[in-house]
Amino acid sequence: TQLLEQSPQFLSIQEGENLTVYCNSSSVFSSLQWYRQEPGEGPVLLVTVVTGGEVKKLKRLTFQFGDARKDSSLHITAAQPGDTGLYLCAVQPLYGGSQGNLIFGKGTKLSVKP
Amino acid sequence: NAGVTQTPKFRVLKTGQSMTLLCAQDMNHEYMYWYRQDPGMGLRLIHYSVGEGTTAKGEVPDGYNVSRLKKQNFLLGLESAAPSQTSVYFCASSRGGTDTQYFGPGTRLTVL
Repeated sequence: TQLLEQSPQFLSIQEGENLTVYCNSSSVFSSLQWYRQEPGEGPVLLVTVVTGGEVKKLKRLTFQFGDARKDSSLHITAAQPGDTGLYLCAVQPLYGGSQGNLIFGKGTKLSVKP
Repeated sequence: NAGVTQTPKFRVLKTGQSMTLLCAQDMNHEYMYWYRQDPGMGLRLIHYSVGEGTTAKGEVPDGYNVSRLKKQNFLLGLESAAPSQTSVYFCASSRGGTDTQYFGPGTRLTVL
């Protein structure tokens, strides 16, 4: 059973469109992280959300943590080709989480065509 | 600062061969991690270290060994490679357990 379910698995859109990707779980987490991974590179942290209902913005990216801290969404406004990549969500388990052992979702592969 | 570097970038092994992947970080981080990434599987933690001389098992440790003899280096060893270990391996480091993890560029390993 996958702890984190990300959807959609693949997304191909045109430049300028808006999109939302999701990270869902049946478990409650103290925090949730979003990463972006470009081809041939390692993941890079975009944001950490901590409080239920929290909304964080990073330029055209808006991240929201669900009220119950079980799910999160990432919304991109006016997508650009530079947004292309694999978007991963990750959490630390409730037990032993202070050791840094992250659990990742399978990711959403986004392709933005010019 | 180079951040997190990994050596080698690519490697092809035959079943049963052994090899060591090297991860180095120049950020004086205490915590270091080894993950593997397979198509459609996301990243899975193999082993991690919370400080020099310490190591611990992650989610998928079987078939791998690690050592952290120096704070800046974290080695991942495969004693007898198997085709199931074909993957992209990422190393990461962080200052503390709840701090941002910084990833290296990855090592693509193919076991024939």
